[in-house]
Amino acid sequence: DAGITQSPRHKVTETGTPVTLRCHQTENHRYMYWYRQDPGHGLRLIHYSYGVKDTDKGEVSDGYSVSRSKTEDFLLTLESATSSQTSVYFCAISGTSGRRVPSTDTQYFGPGTRLTVL
Amino acid sequence: DAKTTQPTSMDCAEGRAANLPCNHSTISGNEYVYWYRQIHSQGPQYIIHGLKNNETNEMASLIITEDRKSSTLILPHATLRDTAVYYCIVRVANSGYSTLTFGKGTMLLVSP
Repeated sequence: DAGITQSPRHKVTETGTPVTLRCHQTENHRYMYWYRQDPGHGLRLIHYSYGVKDTDKGEVSDGYSVSRSKTEDFLLTLESATSSQTSVYFCAISGTSGRRVPSTDTQYFGPGTRLTVL
Repeated sequence: DAKTTQPTSMDCAEGRAANLPCNHSTISGNEYVYWYRQIHSQGPQYIIHGLKNNETNEMASLIITEDRKSSTLILPHATLRDTAVYYCIVRVANSGYSTLTFGKGTMLLVSP
């Protein structure tokens, strides 16, 4: 697909432990996103980034933090994982626009990370 | 963003055309129609998008009615690998911060 990898692809962890998921792109796209997908809720945006060190919250950002120190990498951290954060996490990238905010440029998704918090 | 309505499921024989409808009767003039699909356990895959003209690419064709209140995604020769959930999404152009809102989509089952 669009040169997006996610790691790890599967992870099982225990409540209270920190977890970091990585999204790596080779497309040099400006915008990067983290979504979670749960049955009955579809995809929901957690955080997004519109440039290096520029990030903002999505609709379900509580309990999550992100960092983007390089164009190609967008990290999602669960500081203290809870069972409600068991989900499939997808990273997406978009755009070559110079606009600050996410545009309607097509979003391309990574393969996902399945996270289970026991 | 405008709301979309899609059938819950559809069946298609392998090799035949799959025509997936989407109703977006409240669409605004600056909203695009996007189609994505999600094969089981994989990330959503972009298929095609359009504003008001019909569009075609290597994967599919998108037919948008003249009043833009509905559209049809056409997979011209469906294969078993096209079995997936197909999502029709309407998005405002240049809306600033926004997210892709995936509804329930249409589960397309392609059978031999």
